[in-house]
Amino acid sequence: DAGITQSPRHKVTETGTPVTLRCHQTENHRYMYWYRQDPGHGLRLIHYSYGVKDTDKGEVSDGYSVSRSKTEDFLLTLESATSSQTSVYFCAISELSGYNSPLHFGNGTRLTVT
Amino acid sequence: AQTVTQSQPEMSVQEAETVTLSCTYDTSESNYYLFWYKQPPSRQMILVIRQEAYKQQNATENRFSVNFQKAAKSFSLKISDSQLGDTAMYFCAFISGGTSYGKLTFGQGTILTVHP
Repeated sequence: DAGITQSPRHKVTETGTPVTLRCHQTENHRYMYWYRQDPGHGLRLIHYSYGVKDTDKGEVSDGYSVSRSKTEDFLLTLESATSSQTSVYFCAISELSGYNSPLHFGNGTRLTVT
Repeated sequence: AQTVTQSQPEMSVQEAETVTLSCTYDTSESNYYLFWYKQPPSRQMILVIRQEAYKQQNATENRFSVNFQKAAKSFSLKISDSQLGDTAMYFCAFISGGTSYGKLTFGQGTILTVHP
């Protein structure tokens, strides 16, 4: 299994508070991604990174920011959490950018915003 | 934009039987990959099988095989000799060709329950 660790595994927070989720990889892969999973929607891409300090927006980026200061760490920040951001968040990594490089996923973080 | 549709929210099958999960997609591209991911109750996302659009031969991985109909934009997953450990949510996913930065488009998922 790819070495991907997400922390925390579960979190409950209040509306309006900032939240940071962490993804740590030991594979030295260049590409990292944040997805969210919601019933009826499958997984949707929030942000991705194609190198240290190189990031871009995905399909559902509003209300989220990311940072990548080291190859191994990719942080997702909810600047002011809202109930609509209650979801399961997955980090994924890939060795290459192309479509033939499969994604490997972490075990997810379940976030509840009350 | 691409879309992926899984029209079966839930399916069930008896142990040792065969089940087929449906997936259709919409794209104007000719070069792409399709995937099936499995998500057991542990929440881990596991790649089950993948298909390259330019290959006519259907992919197989042990008990898992696909029926890829490019003209119909259909990509179904067949699970043979179903086992209790196959109980999971299954996601169909699409990715464009070229430098796509891992931008997978997922279907809504199908919950499969295997009964003893």
